[in-house]
Amino acid sequence: GENVEQHPSTLSVQEGDSAVIKCTYSDSASNYFPWYKQELGKRPQLIIDIRSNVGEKKDQRIAVTLNKTAKHFSLHITETQPEDSAVYFCAATPNSGGSNYKLTFGKGTLLTVNP
Amino acid sequence: EPEVTQTPSHQVTQMGQEVILRCVPISNHLYFYWYRQILGQKVEFLVSFYNNEISEKSEIFDDQFSVERPDGSNFTLKIRSTKLEDSAMYFCASSETQGKAHGYTFGSGTRLTVV
Repeated sequence: GENVEQHPSTLSVQEGDSAVIKCTYSDSASNYFPWYKQELGKRPQLIIDIRSNVGEKKDQRIAVTLNKTAKHFSLHITETQPEDSAVYFCAATPNSGGSNYKLTFGKGTLLTVNP
Repeated sequence: EPEVTQTPSHQVTQMGQEVILRCVPISNHLYFYWYRQILGQKVEFLVSFYNNEISEKSEIFDDQFSVERPDGSNFTLKIRSTKLEDSAMYFCASSETQGKAHGYTFGSGTRLTVV
């Protein structure tokens, strides 16, 4: 089955700096890669996603890049703000055939943005 | 915005007791899921459900777990004889179709504490 590795486990940046979180996946059949933000005690919330037919996607201060050959994808947050502080999870899924869209998550990155 | 609703938000139970966690998926969604998150760890897939039957389950989802859609709105997870290691946050999720990314929504979770 799919295995997703995520690094770093913790990341501390100064407000205004950029943050980059990286994930690798093992199943070459995976073709959908969402990123979730989870604040303490709350549900994971989708912040951005990318499909395998696209190499990069951007939404305001957030961008995701995908390298299918190397099987890795990254989350980039620019101009970080204190409210970006949360745990970020990457995930992957084959999203085809009988997979029924099961997500395999990375272990998460605790991002702390210091004012 | 439509939400996935979960009850209760927190449940404390004695080891060996049965618990039922309840979820109301988004009304036009067809695919339902349960995930769990042990404190400080990643979100893990338990089971997916479609057309009134389990479509996929993980190795975590052993014989003590069962799911049911007893009526047109509820989706339940039953743990027959709880163990200490079942203590976790349990998230229900639903998606509109197999491939519809933005239809994949998590509920706010039930924190299960087994004592």
